[in-house]
Amino acid sequence: AQSVTQLGSHVSVSEGALVLLRCNYSSSVPPYLFWYVQYPNQGLQLLLKYTSAATLVKGINGFEAEFKKSETSFHLTKPSAHMSDAAEYFCAVSGGSTLGRLYFGRGTQLTVWP
Amino acid sequence: EPEVTQTPSHQVTQMGQEVILRCVPISNHLYFYWYRQILGQKVEFLVSFYNNEISEKSEIFDDQFSVERPDGSNFTLKIRSTKLEDSAMYFCASSENLGGGADTQYFGPGTRLTVL
Repeated sequence: AQSVTQLGSHVSVSEGALVLLRCNYSSSVPPYLFWYVQYPNQGLQLLLKYTSAATLVKGINGFEAEFKKSETSFHLTKPSAHMSDAAEYFCAVSGGSTLGRLYFGRGTQLTVWP
Repeated sequence: EPEVTQTPSHQVTQMGQEVILRCVPISNHLYFYWYRQILGQKVEFLVSFYNNEISEKSEIFDDQFSVERPDGSNFTLKIRSTKLEDSAMYFCASSENLGGGADTQYFGPGTRLTVL
């Protein structure tokens, strides 16, 4: 079975500061890992995904994440936060099935201060 | 850019009533999904659907729930007799390829269901 833990339900940073959103996963099989972002009144939008190619994955809007098997982590980072990054971020895992069921973390609300 | 749409955006119903939540997946996608998020909790998988059949369902998806693709574009979730605990945001998603855990699922904006 798969599961995801997102540490910190709320993260606040100043504009221009580093963004670090933490995600740890549990999986009995090689995982596929995803980060989604949700802006107010919108659906979940894929930021990036890890599918067993490069361990450092680059996504949209300047975000990237690094798959670390030894730490069972897939933390999301962005070097310099922008006001428009304020949103809720969800980490998700799938794997071990051909049917694509996603297991989500609880989400992290990112606030960016001017 | 193609997107998944859902209607209505907000549905209020009385306990015991039937509700139907509607979704229009991206047109060339083959797999369809429903998820829900109870306020303050995780987004949870309900069901996946392919080739007019349920592919997988979670323990949440009991006999109260059903899904249907009534025509070539819509994908619906029916709750037969709603309970207070069904109050949640319901997300529809679709993916292009024939399953596989690496496929990107594209999500709609959600329907907020409130059961009174």
